Amino acid sequence: DAGVIQSPRHEVTEMGQEVTLRCKPISGHDYLFWYRQTMMRGLELLIYFNNNVPIDDSGMPEDRFSAKMPNASFSTLKIQPSEPRDSAVYFCASSLTDKGQPQHFGDGTRLSIL
Amino acid sequence: GQQLNQSPQSMFIQEGEDVSMNCTSSSIFNTWLWYKQEPGEGPVLLIALYKAGELTSNGRLTAQFGITRKDSFLNISASIPSDVGIYFCAGNSNSGYALNFGKGTSLLVTP
Repeated sequence: DAGVIQSPRHEVTEMGQEVTLRCKPISGHDYLFWYRQTMMRGLELLIYFNNNVPIDDSGMPEDRFSAKMPNASFSTLKIQPSEPRDSAVYFCASSLTDKGQPQHFGDGTRLSIL
Repeated sequence: GQQLNQSPQSMFIQEGEDVSMNCTSSSIFNTWLWYKQEPGEGPVLLIALYKAGELTSNGRLTAQFGITRKDSFLNISASIPSDVGIYFCAGNSNSGYALNFGKGTSLLVTP
């Protein structure tokens, strides 16, 4: 079975540029999560969706970050304009409906903002 | 989110040794999960625990959901070099779907 698929795997861009990260969740999963991982702060939840609807975006650091889920098989996380402090590994995860169901992670996008 | 304290922060052991790591929470959790992350990859689920006192094994790995519901531990028996990675605990309080993650235990195993 295909797991969570993220693209690109690596992104290097200059400060001020727009960055778009993409995620395809596991088919049939109702929940989709976006995380950011850094050495200093570990894994941080940014936002999550249920049935394509954003439920909690309290982890989104600021207005430069936005996320969408236009359908059940695709989500994007956009940063505009990007800044060097946004450099991190961004993970997407998905899970089934019931509370406590494990989240399954993609392999992440390593983002470097110069 | 709730504070999760995971210890130890890192371990450097010899192949064949047993490993133990634990996680404590400032509040009650209804689910405890243990993940392993290898370089360049996302966290992979190892064990999921859903009931206080539950003890679950996955090969050489054993994890327990603490009776107080505020802690969990993971043991690895007879470690091998491929056990190298960062192990994360995560918990869910059922107040939402968000998982709280520990900062991870970095495990190094020498042959």
